[in-house]
Amino acid sequence: AQSVTQPDIHITVSEGASLELRCNYSYGATPYLFWYVQSPGQGLQLLLKYFSGDTLVQGIKGFEAEFKRSQSSFNLRKPSVHWSDAAEYFCAVGRLLEYGNKLVFGAGTILRVKS
Amino acid sequence: DAGVIQSPRHEVTEMGQEVTLRCKPISGHDYLFWYRQTMMRGLELLIYFNNNVPIDDSGMPEDRFSAKMPNASFSTLKIQPSEPRDSAVYFCASSPGGQETQYFGPGTRLLVL
Repeated sequence: AQSVTQPDIHITVSEGASLELRCNYSYGATPYLFWYVQSPGQGLQLLLKYFSGDTLVQGIKGFEAEFKRSQSSFNLRKPSVHWSDAAEYFCAVGRLLEYGNKLVFGAGTILRVKS
Repeated sequence: DAGVIQSPRHEVTEMGQEVTLRCKPISGHDYLFWYRQTMMRGLELLIYFNNNVPIDDSGMPEDRFSAKMPNASFSTLKIQPSEPRDSAVYFCASSPGGQETQYFGPGTRLLVL
């Protein structure tokens, strides 16, 4: 069964500093990987996804993620964090079934941005 | 498009009462997913539908939970009877295909007293 580990429950960074959120997955086949962001009281918004091809994926809001098969990782990065990036971030791995794509989510990382 | 619509946004009920959560997927999406989010267990997939047919309900916690999708634009998740441990945020999501991105609704925050 697939699983996702986000080792950091909380991360605090200064506004303008760079950010890296870690994600490790366990899955026997080629994974479909996603990063979602959730602002307080809101639903989840897709930041980016990896299905195949270029292992460096660009997303919305200036985020990017790199798929590293050898490390089973899909870390999220942003070169300069803005105060509005404060939210909870979820990594997910999708398992393609005959019908549908079943997502398993990590526990999430809460990002705090200090001015 | 209005996105995935869920109602109610908040629900407070007493233990033993029936609770019905509603979801309208994005038009044209033929996959619909119900998730539950709690502090203890994170985000869990409860059930998903393809073309209104339940495909996988292995995440439904107990027989007290049931979900239906009578047509392409409406789904319900029902809890009967409700218990305090059902308190959580319930999300509905839809996608245009099996391999496509899932789009989430704003969620229903349920509190069972």
